[in-house]
Amino acid sequence: DAGVTQSPTHLIKTRGQQVTLRCSPKSGHDTVSWYQQALGQGPQFIFQYYEEEERQRGNFPDRFSGHQFPNYSSELNVNALLLGDSALYLCASSLKLRHSGLSGAQHFGDGTRLSIL
Amino acid sequence: EDKVVQSPLSLVVHEGDTVTLNCSYEVTNFRSLLWYKQEKKAPTFLFMLTSSGIEKKSGRLSSILDKKELFSILNITATQTGDSAVYLCAAYMEYGNKLVFGAGTILRVKS
Repeated sequence: DAGVTQSPTHLIKTRGQQVTLRCSPKSGHDTVSWYQQALGQGPQFIFQYYEEEERQRGNFPDRFSGHQFPNYSSELNVNALLLGDSALYLCASSLKLRHSGLSGAQHFGDGTRLSIL
Repeated sequence: EDKVVQSPLSLVVHEGDTVTLNCSYEVTNFRSLLWYKQEKKAPTFLFMLTSSGIEKKSGRLSSILDKKELFSILNITATQTGDSAVYLCAAYMEYGNKLVFGAGTILRVKS
């Protein structure tokens, strides 16, 4: 049973560039959430995708955007990169419980380590 | 503002010791409390607690939630060096569909 997979593992960019990170959810999951984890801190919620739409968004600027595909995989795009965007980007998947509207426990991928020079 | 606070920030113990990690939360529309263990990369799911006062156990780990006092604890008995990690707790918000994480507790178990 494949867990959550993310690519690439590491990425080095320079200020002003754009980046795309990819995530495939755990088999059977339909909801994908993205988090940013700076060094020494807990993950911070960026946004969540369900049924190919952004459902919730955290306190992140419009430079952060995303997409979910029909196969439930997802991309995170960041434009005009800043030094402060250097972090571990985590993708988490879960199964939305349709009757309750709730999501089950979120399972995380290994993340993409993004470094901005 | 929604927040989750963990204590202590870091902890060093010897193998065989018992540790208690604390997590307090203040979030709107609280639904459940989750604990994760993070070593090098992906946080690994440990427990999801929804009901107050019901202890969940998995081997040497156990956790309980107090929804009246807004806190949870994670206990690890007979610690091993493999328990060394960052332990994260997160509050799941019912309508926000998101997790609000604490900063984590760094646990180091010395042999």
